[in-house]
Amino acid sequence: QKEVEQNSGPLSVPEGAIASLNCTYSDRGSQSFFWYRQYSGKSPELIMFIYSNGDKEDGRFTAQLNKASQYVSLLIRDSQPSDSATYLCAVKADRGSTLGRLYFGRGTQLTVWP
Amino acid sequence: DTGVSQDPRHKITKRGQNVTFRCDPISEHNRLYWYRQTLGQGPEFLTYFQNEAQLEKSRLLSDRFSAERPKGSFSTLEIQRTEQGDSAMYLCASSLAIQETQYFGPGTRLLVL
Repeated sequence: QKEVEQNSGPLSVPEGAIASLNCTYSDRGSQSFFWYRQYSGKSPELIMFIYSNGDKEDGRFTAQLNKASQYVSLLIRDSQPSDSATYLCAVKADRGSTLGRLYFGRGTQLTVWP
Repeated sequence: DTGVSQDPRHKITKRGQNVTFRCDPISEHNRLYWYRQTLGQGPEFLTYFQNEAQLEKSRLLSDRFSAERPKGSFSTLEIQRTEQGDSAMYLCASSLAIQETQYFGPGTRLLVL
């Protein structure tokens, strides 16, 4: 059973702060990692993906991957109240394989207060 | 590019009834996925298609569940003899085979009374 673990939170940060969201995964063969944002009652929306060890930046978002530690994180800089949502970490086992499924964590609920 | 669409958006049914959901993927996307999400949980994989071929099925997909993608475009997910435990959000996603990223539709929220 491939597992993806996230702190369920809630994580509460003030506007303008850095929010740090963490995720660990059990399958060492995992190759592709995704962060989705999900507003209450809505479907998941892709924020970022990362394949290689290190950092990947996109605007206010930075994804960090450490395959040796089986750890992936998402940093949100200059957090805004509109960032308040549940953040889902998802892992795909084999990059490019026919096995298409994503394994999701339970999500971390983030609240950014003004 | 209009995104992934799903129909209906909401469905209320009585226990024992059959329901069918439809998903239209992003045009040109040849992979289509079905997930189920219950409150407080992340999405759980049900099944996926590449073109019209169903390549992977989860153990969650009991014999009451069936999915089709007959022409490699839209897909349907049918649940027979619904049970209260089937109440969930049913999510459809699509991707290109050469890319990894899956894009989700708005979901169909099912309530079984």
